[in-house]
Amino acid sequence: AQSVTQLGSHVSVSEGALVLLRCNYSSSVPPYLFWYVQYPNQGLQLLLKYTSAATLVKGINGFEAEFKKSETSFHLTKPSAHMSDAAEYFCARRRRDSSYKLIFGSGTRLLVRP
Amino acid sequence: NAGVTQTPKFQVLKTGQSMTLQCAQDMNHNSMYWYRQDPGMGLRLIYYSASEGTTDKGEVPNGYNVSRLNKREFSLRLESAAPSQTSVYFCASSRNTEAFFGQGTRLTVV
Repeated sequence: AQSVTQLGSHVSVSEGALVLLRCNYSSSVPPYLFWYVQYPNQGLQLLLKYTSAATLVKGINGFEAEFKKSETSFHLTKPSAHMSDAAEYFCARRRRDSSYKLIFGSGTRLLVRP
Repeated sequence: NAGVTQTPKFQVLKTGQSMTLQCAQDMNHNSMYWYRQDPGMGLRLIYYSASEGTTDKGEVPNGYNVSRLNKREFSLRLESAAPSQTSVYFCASSRNTEAFFGQGTRLTVV
């Protein structure tokens, strides 16, 4: 089945440290890929998306993600964590055909230590 | 610009009661979705509607029904609530590749 796997339900970093959140997908055809962020008691907000040939995607709040077909990965990074980055992050996929189903990973909660 | 609006924000039901969660979007999107969010499981798709007049089952449709009333509105109905349906429910709509989410409905079934 086509799926999205996020490695690590919790990631803890110090303020100013590199943030790396991992996402792998399973699909014979590269799907559209997304990262969403959810702050406490809020809905989901789109951080960035991969939909074309540009494999390095820049998003909001200094985040970026690199699509690597050979590794079926779409990891999210940020060079320097800020306290305000503490939230839950979801990787999601959608097929490139007419299907509109958006399938999510199980989420990674990012904790930022002062 | 309200985006995606869900009502109610909170609800407590007794087992066996029914209720309808309402969702409306003002972005003229064709596609709309209902998800449930449970700890450690991410968001799971309950139903989706690719366009007005069509609905399809997602990953976890059992115990739910939906109605795409018009292009703006997509409701989710629980006919006979069960404790396993305690969750946070999110409605979303999408245009092309970007989905927009409501603020969620926190439902508790006791």
